[in-house]
Amino acid sequence: DTGVSQDPRHKITKRGQNVTFRCDPISEHNRLYWYRQTLGQGPEFLTYFQNEAQLEKSRLLSDRFSAERPKGSFSTLEIQRTEQGDSAMYLCASSFWGGTAYDNEQFFGPGTRLTVL
Amino acid sequence: GESVGLHLPTLSVQEGDNSIINCAYSNSASDYFIWYKQESGKGPQFIIDIRSNMDKRQGQRVTVLLNKTVKHLSLQIAATQPGDSAVYFCAETANNDMRFGAGTRLTVKP
Repeated sequence: DTGVSQDPRHKITKRGQNVTFRCDPISEHNRLYWYRQTLGQGPEFLTYFQNEAQLEKSRLLSDRFSAERPKGSFSTLEIQRTEQGDSAMYLCASSFWGGTAYDNEQFFGPGTRLTVL
Repeated sequence: GESVGLHLPTLSVQEGDNSIINCAYSNSASDYFIWYKQESGKGPQFIIDIRSNMDKRQGQRVTVLLNKTVKHLSLQIAATQPGDSAVYFCAETANNDMRFGAGTRLTVKP
């Protein structure tokens, strides 16, 4: 257990429905990342926050995806009008950013596996 | 046993043997590299890292080698154990932006 938790662990939904995932990072970490991972592939970056500010979004993050970190602690990732191609594992990671990538170890949560029928 | 990363995503070794997992990275500007281990049903877990000003770094039973000339990274695991069975990913970082490779599945036979 890395100290990063995600909820739910599994979500099955029908195409067209909206889903929301939650990530609780390690409490002293100021950065929070969202990734998407499909079977056999490495995690693909979606977006990250430093405190409550969303600093970068991947072009993979279509208009149907939105992420928030309102108080700089937990974060939510919402997918609207889900499509079958959204089926994947959604991973959250947190880190303490001290100014360089060298000391920015990311700790990953267990992920939320989304299946869109 | 040895893999060639994307071209051979599965590596099977005998318990006690050494394993070598390879990764070809894409960005010549990458200056920091990390190996992650991902077990079934879990998120990736940090194993070892290396900066671009180094060509070798050792941890406990693991060694990472970096060849910037050919943009190649390898992870060596000594005396591979059943608990080492997992998917291993390399990640490269350029301008504080981290990207993962596709991974290699390591299976350890008893």
